Amino acid sequence: KAGVTQTPRYLIKTRGQQVTLSCSPISGHRSVSWYQQTPGQGLQFLFEYFSETQRNKGNFPGRFSGRQFSNSRSEMNVSTLELGDSALYLCASSPELTDTQYFGPGTRLTVL
Amino acid sequence: GDSVTQMEGPVTLSEEAFLTINCTYTATGYPSLFWYVQYPGEGLQLLLKATKADDKGSNKGFEATYRKETTSFHLEKGSVQVSDSAVYFCARPSPDTDKLIFGTGTRLQVFP
Repeated sequence: KAGVTQTPRYLIKTRGQQVTLSCSPISGHRSVSWYQQTPGQGLQFLFEYFSETQRNKGNFPGRFSGRQFSNSRSEMNVSTLELGDSALYLCASSPELTDTQYFGPGTRLTVL
Repeated sequence: GDSVTQMEGPVTLSEEAFLTINCTYTATGYPSLFWYVQYPGEGLQLLLKATKADDKGSNKGFEATYRKETTSFHLEKGSVQVSDSAVYFCARPSPDTDKLIFGTGTRLQVFP
């Protein structure tokens, strides 16, 4: 089976712009979670989707949003980018009835 | 609250040395426990897991035993290789959501 894929792998944006990141889970996985990884804060949970519904949300401002499509693919959007949004954004998918998450390679976002 | 604590890095070893990376957790109940590895420029890869007390997870020569008496899940490898150089994360699921709670990560550097 193919693993979790994320596109694009690298992005450079300027402050005030918005960005959309995409994640395709492992085939058959319906749960998708997003994490932000920075050197200062480590790995922080953004949100989790299951069957097109957001089930859980981390402590991030409303500029961070996401959605999930009927094929389980997910996108996250960050509006009005700030310098502090520079990070590696990781997507993970899980099979049902398990707490094991499988991660993609991440999208490296740089905000200038 | 529920948390995961890892030893500070970096851990610097010569090839073929014995590795231990300490991880302790706080929890109500007995959550699953995970070790993930992150190679430079990549996402997180699931290294091993254990789902109940006294379980031993193993993969690629790495092992970790779920010790409920000491609330620990230390990662060990008998003989490290240069290719094991990476950052290792201990993790457990949150008790009330599907997010993973991660330790701060331990960087391992192996020299020939």
